Amino acid sequence: AQSVSQHNHHVILSEAASLELGCNYSYGGTVNLFWYVQYPGQHLQLLLKYFSGDPLVKGIKGFEAEFIKSKFSFNLRKPSVQWSDTAEYFCAVNGVKGGYNKLIFGAGTRLAVHP
Amino acid sequence: EAQVTQNPRYLITVTGKKLTVTCSQNMNHEYMSWYRQDPGLGLRQIYYSMNVEVTDKGDVPEGYKVSRKEKRNFPLILESPSPNQTSLYFCASSLFAGKVGSDYGYTFGSGTRLTVV
Repeated sequence: AQSVSQHNHHVILSEAASLELGCNYSYGGTVNLFWYVQYPGQHLQLLLKYFSGDPLVKGIKGFEAEFIKSKFSFNLRKPSVQWSDTAEYFCAVNGVKGGYNKLIFGAGTRLAVHP
Repeated sequence: EAQVTQNPRYLITVTGKKLTVTCSQNMNHEYMSWYRQDPGLGLRQIYYSMNVEVTDKGDVPEGYKVSRKEKRNFPLILESPSPNQTSLYFCASSLFAGKVGSDYGYTFGSGTRLTVV
């Protein structure tokens, strides 16, 4: 069955620390990969996406992610976090099932950045 | 402005009282979907629709109904809400149904926080 696993449910960092959030997926076919962010009380916003080509994807707000096909991974990184990055982050995988899209989300990682 | 509009944003209701959460998109998207978000579980798909009059169950369809009579609208219906349906609901749309490897994504609504007492 298709699934998405996010390694950490809660991460606490100090400002300027580096961030890496793990994401692994289980799906045998071609996929699109996404990272979304949800700030407190807000809806989902797209951080970045991979659909083909360069496996290193740059997104908004200084985030990037690397698609490693052999490891079925799509980890999110940011070299130096800010207090304003406090949010919940969701990895999502879109694959075709039965001829149609299915977008599956991980359980999310809550990031708290302390000043 | 291209968007997915959900209404209402907040809703408190009582067990058993039928309710509808509306979702409308103005981008002529083929694909629409409903998710519920619960702490520690991420977003789980309730129902999805590939086009007008074509809908199918997602991973957690029990207790919900949907319809897609027009391309732009995809309402979520709770015929007899129960407390375990208290959750944050998101509607999403996408240009294509059944296409990966292309540069497209999903647009999400602002969410509906539903409380069933």
